[in-house]
Formats: sequence, structure tokens, C-alpha cells
Amino acid sequence: DAGVIQSPRHEVTEMGQEVTLRCKPISGHNSLFWYRQTMMRGLELLIYFNNNVPIDDSGMPEDRFSAKMPNASFSTLKIQPSEPRDSAVYFCASSPPPGTSVYNEQFFGPGTRLTVL
Amino acid sequence: AQSVTQLDSQVPVFEEAPVELRCNYSSSVSVYLFWYVQYPNQGLQLLLKYLSGSTLVESINGFEAEFNKSQTSFHLRKPSVHISDTAEYFCAVNAGNMLTFGGGTRLMVKP
Repeated sequence: DAGVIQSPRHEVTEMGQEVTLRCKPISGHNSLFWYRQTMMRGLELLIYFNNNVPIDDSGMPEDRFSAKMPNASFSTLKIQPSEPRDSAVYFCASSPPPGTSVYNEQFFGPGTRLTVL
Repeated sequence: AQSVTQLDSQVPVFEEAPVELRCNYSSSVSVYLFWYVQYPNQGLQLLLKYLSGSTLVESINGFEAEFNKSQTSFHLRKPSVHISDTAEYFCAVNAGNMLTFGGGTRLMVKP
């Protein structure tokens, strides 16, 4: 089991540029979560998908942020245009459907460290 | 709605000493409780969880946590810490399919 895969691991970009973060959840998992972690605000849930459908995006900071899940094995988080205050570590996590022994448990990827100059 | 409070942002402790990381939660429904650990420059890993049954749960590396419903707490303990336990620890509550995390406690184990 490869675990949750995120790419890139590090991203450095300039203010105003578009940034796309990618996530591949664990095979068979049907829920996917995007989090942002900063020193000031801690760990924040940005958006949550279930069966590829966005269920709760109330944590998305503003219209510059968008997330998609075109299929069960891939999701993207896009920031356009990026700003220095978007600098953070972005985590993707996935969880399995009900009926498994690890239902309700979230499995985290290694994160993408984004720096916006 | 759920909320989680981790009362200590940092806990310094000497190696081989005991430690307790405190976690209190609030929820209007039954919850599942989790402790996650984040080592430097890594993602979060599940340390232990309470779903039902025995209120005392243990991890494979010597940590334990006790669910106390009357005090709405889920404190994490270890009788003797190692340098390798230095990390940030997050308490989380789950109602439905979403986790609500506390602010984290940075455990700093000193030689």
C-alpha cells in the first residue's frame, strides 16, 4: 500500500502565479480531505469530498482557492493567483467507506510545502 | 458542532520522565476520539483511537489514552518518554466523517 501520495513535495513560486497541488488517495478510499497547516492558524480543513463530490468547502479561504476531484484516484487544489499569505504546508488525507475496520480514520499524505514569494 | 482544546501548546520533559498531554472536547453527539502524531517535516500519523468499548486505549510504542465521558477528556500519557517521542501531537474528535483537530501540543524531550 503506497499510502496517500502528494505532489510536489515542495513548491516555490512568485506572487500572482497559479499553483496546483495534487493528491492521489489510497485505493478504495471514498473520502478525501484537503488541509492547510500554518504556525499561526494550526491545522485547518479546507474542503472535503465524498465519492468525488464536494461535501463541505466552508474552509476554503476565498475564491482564489478551488479544488476538484475528477475521479476516485485524483484530486487537485489550485490557488490562482497565489499570495505570500498562502505559504503553508498543504495536506491531503483520505478515509475508507463505512464497514471497514478503519472507518472514521484519516490517512494523511506527506504534505506539500508551498512558499509564495 | 464539535471542538477540541489542547491546553498546552508546548510540553518540555526530560528523557525517561512521564508525560501527560491534555485534551478536552465538546460535542452534542457521541464521538470517536483520536490522537495523531506529527514528526518534523512529515504528515500526521494515527497514534491511537477510541471508538467504543474499553475506555483505556494503547499504542504500540507505549502511549495510552483514557476516554473520560464525564470530564469530556481524552488525555494522552506515557510513563517514560524517549528522545524519539519529540513531535507534535494532535487530539481530534470525529462525528460523522470529518475530524476536528485541537491546536496541537509540541512535546520536546530533552536528554
